[in-house]
Parts: sequence; C-alpha cells; structure tokens
Amino acid sequence: DIRLTQSPSSLSASVGDRVIITCRASQKISRYLNWYQQKPGKAPKLLIYGASSLQSGVPPRFSGSGSETEFTLTIISLQPEDFATYYCQQSYSTLFTFGPGTRVDIK
Amino acid sequence: QVTLKESGPVLVKPTETLTLTCTVSGFSLNNTRMGVTWIRQSPGKALEWLAHIFSKDEKSYSKSLKSRLTISKDTSKSQVVLSMTNMDPVDTATYYCARMISGNWFDPWGQGILVTVSS
Repeated sequence: DIRLTQSPSSLSASVGDRVIITCRASQKISRYLNWYQQKPGKAPKLLIYGASSLQSGVPPRFSGSGSETEFTLTIISLQPEDFATYYCQQSYSTLFTFGPGTRVDIK
Repeated sequence: QVTLKESGPVLVKPTETLTLTCTVSGFSLNNTRMGVTWIRQSPGKALEWLAHIFSKDEKSYSKSLKSRLTISKDTSKSQVVLSMTNMDPVDTATYYCARMISGNWFDPWGQGILVTVSS
C-alpha cells in the first residue's frame, strides 16, 4: 500500500496566519492527491483534488501544490472556520489511503 | 443536490456481521464516472478506506479487511450495501459512505453512522 505521512501532526495558529501542511507519499503518485477538511463531529469535506484543483465552493484562500511524493496544502489568512483537521488521500492506487491528519487549532 | 445517507445498526455484538446501507440521491449508480466508497473512522483516529464499487460493478477492498468485507449495489433502489463479518470491539467506528468521482476523490460524504461493537 502507498503510505502517506503528514507534517506537522498538529499546529496552533492565529486568525490571519498562513498555514502550510505537507503530505509525503511513500512512492511517486503523480498528482493523484486530494485534501479534505474535517470539523469535530462532522463528515470530511473535499477541498482540493488532483493536487491543486479547488473544489467548487471552497474559498480561494485554500490552495494545493506538489507532485510525485511531496504535496502541500496552504491556507492563506486563516479564518475562524478553518480550525479543523486536514487529511490528504492518494488516488494513484485504487487501494486508497489517507494520511494521519493534521490538526489546526487556535493559538 | 447529491446526498448520501448511511443506515444500519448502531450496536452489534462481537462475532456478528455488520450490514450497512448507503442510500444515494442526486446521481445514478449507473453513472460511468461515479461510484460509492465506504470509509471508517475509529474514535479519535484517522480515516480508513474500506471498499468501493463502480458503475459496472467493479469492486475493490482494503487489503487488511478484504476477507471480511463485501460490497454490493442495488441500482433500482439507489443503494450500496457493505457487509463486514466477525465484528470486534476494535471495529467500533463511524462509518461513512461517499460518492467517488472517476478521478478517485470523494465528494460529498454522508453524515456517517457510529457503530459500536460490544456484548
């Protein structure tokens, strides 16, 4: 299986901060990497697909980049509603896998 | 509007078989660009992909759980069913179904159903 790691595992940030979350794959996966946001008690929500395509309705302060084994999710100017856990997911192999998550909380 | 909703028992006993149903609306299970996937999340843990099924009945299962899982669909009822045998307390989790787009991303997700395994 393709393993995904995320860093950091958690971070504290303030409203207005820029946040960068990294996802690394155990093998090359081209751009088959998706990002989800999950708030407590809620189902995950798709943010980014294909490494950098913004899902409809997602604010443009979210962006994704990267390819092969290293990917980033960037949130410019963090908003109160962005405090959540973020997961990456690879879709290169149909044995899909998720990263362990990055929790973003309020400093 | 696309929606998915999970249903099934919220409490099962160890060794029992869990059967969950995902009822979809707003898209057809015959759509060649779409499928349905099941994912679970143990309390406080990360997401774990379980299985998926596509329009032409192509199926795929998590390697670690393959021997215990069966996924099927009833297009006329707009339902996808996941069965998991020999349930154990470690299988206690929220089980989600989600629409899978042909590029293999998941959107949207159902609200999830918390299944507890306990005697």
